[in-house]
Amino acid sequence: GQNIDQPTEMTATEGAIVQINCTYQTSGFNGLFWYQQHAGEAPTFLSYNVLDGLEEKGRFSSFLSRSKGYSYLLLKELQMKDSASYLCAANSGYSTLTFGKGTMLLVSP
Amino acid sequence: EAQVTQNPRYLITVTGKKLTVTCSQNMNHEYMSWYRQDPGLGLRQIYYSMNVEVTDKGDVPEGYKVSRKEKRNFPLILESPSPNQTSLYFCASSPGTAGGTEAFFGQGTRLTVV
Repeated sequence: GQNIDQPTEMTATEGAIVQINCTYQTSGFNGLFWYQQHAGEAPTFLSYNVLDGLEEKGRFSSFLSRSKGYSYLLLKELQMKDSASYLCAANSGYSTLTFGKGTMLLVSP
Repeated sequence: EAQVTQNPRYLITVTGKKLTVTCSQNMNHEYMSWYRQDPGLGLRQIYYSMNVEVTDKGDVPEGYKVSRKEKRNFPLILESPSPNQTSLYFCASSPGTAGGTEAFFGQGTRLTVV
């Protein structure tokens, strides 16, 4: 079966760094996606990892450990506009994505 | 502009009245899928399609139908909507059936069934 776990909510302060963790168990694994979703809007792509290690993209970085079934999204220099839900999704083959329930991040001044 | 377009954006309907939510993409993507999103449950896949005339059930297919007669269109059909199908629906497409391809989402359809 498929199971994706991530924290429900996190809070952080503007300018700080926050790490959002995700653990997954899937039958078949072909990479891990992170999406950002603002309230009432469509999810937008942030990152993709298929090999172990860290992928850096500006203020956002994503890490994957396949042996541990673990990923995290690191957001640096937080801005108010980063307040959103962050969705972890495992690609279990073809283009099928299994999503976690999302982590709501609230950035305060 | 590359996009996935859903219509309508908002819909209020009554129990049992058949409805169709349209989805169209202009990126020549092979793979398309439908999700519903509910508070506390996240995004759950309803149906997906790997190419024209090829569709398959996702995690929550009951009460829904789909068709893929053309590559660009993937409508979601609710033959007899019920209140438990009140939800936010997203259509998504991606370039191919190989893993690792980014999914592009439509803007969502907020459906209320009374």
